[in-house]
Amino acid sequence: AQTVTQSQPEMSVQEAETVTLSCTYDTSENNYYLFWYKQPPSRQMILVIRQEAYKQQNATENRFSVNFQKAAKSFSLKISDSQLGDTAMYFCAFIPFSTGANNLFFGTGTRLTVIP
Amino acid sequence: KAGVTQTPRYLIKTRGQQVTLSCSPISGHRSVSWYQQTPGQGLQFLFEYFSETQRNKGNFPGRFSGRQFSNSRSEMNVSTLELGDSALYLCASSSQVTATEAFFGQGTRLTVV
Repeated sequence: AQTVTQSQPEMSVQEAETVTLSCTYDTSENNYYLFWYKQPPSRQMILVIRQEAYKQQNATENRFSVNFQKAAKSFSLKISDSQLGDTAMYFCAFIPFSTGANNLFFGTGTRLTVIP
Repeated sequence: KAGVTQTPRYLIKTRGQQVTLSCSPISGHRSVSWYQQTPGQGLQFLFEYFSETQRNKGNFPGRFSGRQFSNSRSEMNVSTLELGDSALYLCASSSQVTATEAFFGQGTRLTVV
């Protein structure tokens, strides 16, 4: 079974500070992609960052970076210099290559609030 | 380049009715996936179409169906609506056989009364 667990339903961070969102997943697959999506109040899911499982180097996109631990099946998101616009639901997701279809498995989400 | 367009944005239906939701993917994208988002169940995969063929289906009853047209636009149909079908329905498009990046629409908020 493919599952994604986000153990922090809600988090808050002061503006300009750093926050880390946790994600663990379970899969027997060896090749897959991992994602963090952001869903602001507008409801549109926006891709924040992605990681290929076969790459050891952690992905980075501006203020967003991940800590990918394949053996531990852990994929946390670090947001540096938090901004008010980062307030949103954040979903961890992955897609295994073997299904041959575009079926994203999502976690339950973490609601992040950036406090001015 | 236009994004993923879902119509309508909001819909109110009565129990027992049926509803059709539409999704226009990004131009050139052949894969369209549908997801149901509820507070209780989170985001759940409904089905995915690639070049007019359903490649995968989630664990939903047969009341949920879909199709994809030759221009890659996709429709989702729910028959005999139940109160529990109230949800945000999201569609995502991808240009790849495996979604290394999926682009989402803003969703259709369906309320069943």
